[in-house]
Amino acid sequence: QKEVEQNSGPLSVPEGAIASLNCTYSDRVSQSFFWYRQYSGKSPELIMSIYSNGDKEDGRFTAQLNKASQYVSLLIRDSQPSDSATYLCAVMSPGGGNKLTFGTGTQLKVEL
Amino acid sequence: GAVVSQHPSRVICKSGTSVKIECRSLDFQATTMFWYRQFPKKSLMLMATSNEGSKATYEQGVEKDKFLINHASLTLSTLTVTSAHPEDSSFYICSASSGNSGDTQYFGPGTRLTVL
Repeated sequence: QKEVEQNSGPLSVPEGAIASLNCTYSDRVSQSFFWYRQYSGKSPELIMSIYSNGDKEDGRFTAQLNKASQYVSLLIRDSQPSDSATYLCAVMSPGGGNKLTFGTGTQLKVEL
Repeated sequence: GAVVSQHPSRVICKSGTSVKIECRSLDFQATTMFWYRQFPKKSLMLMATSNEGSKATYEQGVEKDKFLINHASLTLSTLTVTSAHPEDSSFYICSASSGNSGDTQYFGPGTRLTVL
């Protein structure tokens, strides 16, 4: 069974710090990886997708992928209180009809 | 990014009635749409995958006769909760993708269903 694991948190960081969110996955042939942000009571919002090993940067967000270690992470620089949310890691495997396997999410709290 | 809408955003109904939820992709053609439900403080649970013009594929444990899904066009999929009961109360979220391999899923804002 395909699994995606995240630490549920809460992860607390001070405003302005770097938040580091981690995710591991079990299906070695997974090819597409996504980070979504979900505020309480709202639906998930796409932050980034990453498909190749290495880093991908978009504004204050950097996604990192290491397929050999089956590990994907999300760094948030200059964390703001508005970044406080649950961050969902999602993995897509080939031949799965574009279905996503979600982690349980990491709750991030950015404190003033 | 792509925009997906859902209607209604919130619905309260009596036990035994049926409720229809619409999911629309507003600025792209969604070959594939997905329906999820989410209970408080839990992760998303995929209910079914819907491809335009064909029958939906339901996940194990999801009753197809209770959760009717129709994907009649490239921009619209509907989920009908039939004979709703209080245990069906949940947050229902759809997502849409163009259907290309590895393509991103874009989520609608969700529908909060409360069955009295």
